[in-house]
Amino acid sequence: KAGVTQTPRYLIKTRGQQVTLSCSPISGHRSVSWYQQTPGQGLQFLFEYFSETQRNKGNFPGRFSGRQFSNSRSEMNVSTLELGDSALYLCASSLQGFGGDEQYFGPGTRLTVT
Amino acid sequence: QKEVEQDPGPLSVPEGAIVSLNCTYSNSAFQYFMWYRQYSRKGPELLMYTYSSGNKEDGRFTAQVDKSSKYISLFIRDSQPSDSATYLCAMKARGGYSTLTFGKGTMLLVSP
Repeated sequence: KAGVTQTPRYLIKTRGQQVTLSCSPISGHRSVSWYQQTPGQGLQFLFEYFSETQRNKGNFPGRFSGRQFSNSRSEMNVSTLELGDSALYLCASSLQGFGGDEQYFGPGTRLTVT
Repeated sequence: QKEVEQDPGPLSVPEGAIVSLNCTYSNSAFQYFMWYRQYSRKGPELLMYTYSSGNKEDGRFTAQVDKSSKYISLFIRDSQPSDSATYLCAMKARGGYSTLTFGKGTMLLVSP
């Protein structure tokens, strides 16, 4: 069974631009979560989607948004990029996202903002 | 106080050593406990998953959870150079959705 895939793997953007990252979950998984990983803050939860609905959201500004499609694939968007948005963005999928569901991560998208 | 505390290391050990990695937490609602391994420039890989208190063993890895002390551990027996990575503990509250709260990770270096 294929794992979680994320595209692109690397991105370089300029301050003020916007970016869209894509995530394809493991087949059969309906919950997709996004995390930001930086050396200073570690892994921080951005948001979670299930059945095309955002179920949970972390403490990030509104510039960070996402969506999920009917095939469970998800995208996240960051508008008006800031230097501090440089990070590894990780997507994780689980069956339904409840209780004991295990979460599996993709390889991440490394975003560099200059 | 952060919800999950984890010593960043690095922890350097010789090949064959027993490694102990630990996390403490403050939120008593956490019921599910995970350990992930992350190699440089890769995504986290799920290693161990436990529910509530107790031990779980999988090959060279043993996970322990002591909810009364709010303390979890990962033991690696017969450590190998290929175990060199950052180890992240993660936790989730019961009844919640997929939100994981992570420690910042401990970097482990196993020398041949």
